Amino acid sequence: DAGVTQSPTHLIKTRGQQVTLRCSPKSGHDTVSWYQQALGQGPQFIFQYYEEEERQRGNFPDRFSGHQFPNYSSELNVNALLLGDSALYLCASSLWEDRSNQPQHFGDGTRLSIL
Amino acid sequence: AQKVTQAQTEISVVEKEDVTLDCVYETRDTTYYLFWYKQPPSGELVFLIRRNSFDEQNEISGRYSWNFQKSTSSFNFTITASQVVDSAVYFCALSEPLSGYSTLTFGKGTMLLVSP
Repeated sequence: DAGVTQSPTHLIKTRGQQVTLRCSPKSGHDTVSWYQQALGQGPQFIFQYYEEEERQRGNFPDRFSGHQFPNYSSELNVNALLLGDSALYLCASSLWEDRSNQPQHFGDGTRLSIL
Repeated sequence: AQKVTQAQTEISVVEKEDVTLDCVYETRDTTYYLFWYKQPPSGELVFLIRRNSFDEQNEISGRYSWNFQKSTSSFNFTITASQVVDSAVYFCALSEPLSGYSTLTFGKGTMLLVSP
């Protein structure tokens, strides 16, 4: 039973570039949420996807966008990268019907460094 | 104001000591869910325990136990007889479905260092 998988593991970009991060949810899950975790901080919610639509969004600029595919996998895109975008990006999956009351399952994350 | 406050930034204990991690939350919802997650150096968040707002029964699961008190909005987590493998960052998180915010709001975390 595969858990949440994210790729790549690490990524180095420069300011102004664009980046795409990928996530495959745990088998059987249909909802994907993305979180940003800056060094020494707790994860902060970016957005959540279900049925290929963005269902909720946290306090992030529209430089952050996403997509969900019919197989429930998801991408996080960040445009015009800033130094402050350096962080660990975590993907979590769940069942839509249980999204609030059951634990979300997290991947190992993608560590993004902006030079 | 923070919705989830973990006042302890870092705790150091010696193996076999008991340790309690504090969490204070803020919500206006009558139905909400509280979670504890562990984050080892590898980065993955590992689910530990969950409690819903209408069940204040405190439980023990192996070396883990928790104390949920609605009157003080606290959800503290205790590790009994700590081990070196317990060293990690621990996060308390809140879900508030009635507010339409069904995703997790995390505290800043408490780093636990267990030395041999």
